[in-house]
Amino acid sequence: SQQGEEDPQALSIQEGENATMNCSYKTSINNLQWYRQNSGRGLVHLILIRSNEREKHSGRLRVTLDTSKKSSSLLITASRAADTASYFCATGKGGKLIFGQGTELSVKP
Amino acid sequence: NAGVTQTPKFQVLKTGQSMTLQCAQDMNHEYMSWYRQDPGMGLRLIHYSVGAGITDQGEVPNGYNVSRSTTEDFPLRLLSAAPSQTSVYFCASSYSQGGTEAFFGQGTRLTVV
Repeated sequence: SQQGEEDPQALSIQEGENATMNCSYKTSINNLQWYRQNSGRGLVHLILIRSNEREKHSGRLRVTLDTSKKSSSLLITASRAADTASYFCATGKGGKLIFGQGTELSVKP
Repeated sequence: NAGVTQTPKFQVLKTGQSMTLQCAQDMNHEYMSWYRQDPGMGLRLIHYSVGAGITDQGEVPNGYNVSRSTTEDFPLRLLSAAPSQTSVYFCASSYSQGGTEAFFGQGTRLTVV
């Protein structure tokens, strides 16, 4: 079974709004990563947060991690039409990187 | 740098046929993995390798074989293709599996009829 569960499965917003995606996982982890996938393409790494970190920023991205609740969130601020894609969380431990089912984000101009 | 290269990009197989999906990386990464992506299922780990000569099973290994004779190459073999193996297959590599970012190939879209 997959490690991560993402919520919501689909999200539609207007350009300029913020987008928040959540990820819950089942077992202990070394780190949690977020990836983006444009339709029909490979995945691209966005950000990695280690288990001893609580928050991390990269440009318009903000990731939080709560290991006590086994959950993480990805916030994209001031979204753009070009942010339209699927977003996946992935947990790393024991030599494996296990992905969630993803959130499909649609940003309307 | 080419990064992670997968071939072929598209393939149609008949049930029972065998084939090998190729994956090569030029970043000298020790860790390589194969995933399959099905609608609504996200990516599921098939097999992975932590270095040349070392492989291990992931979440959905049945029906697939791998080997890792060199650092650069990690082929995925379908022994006897079944319609349930219709999927998009992604190869990934990383410096440290699960510890650093993974780089993905562009995928192989496989249809088994």
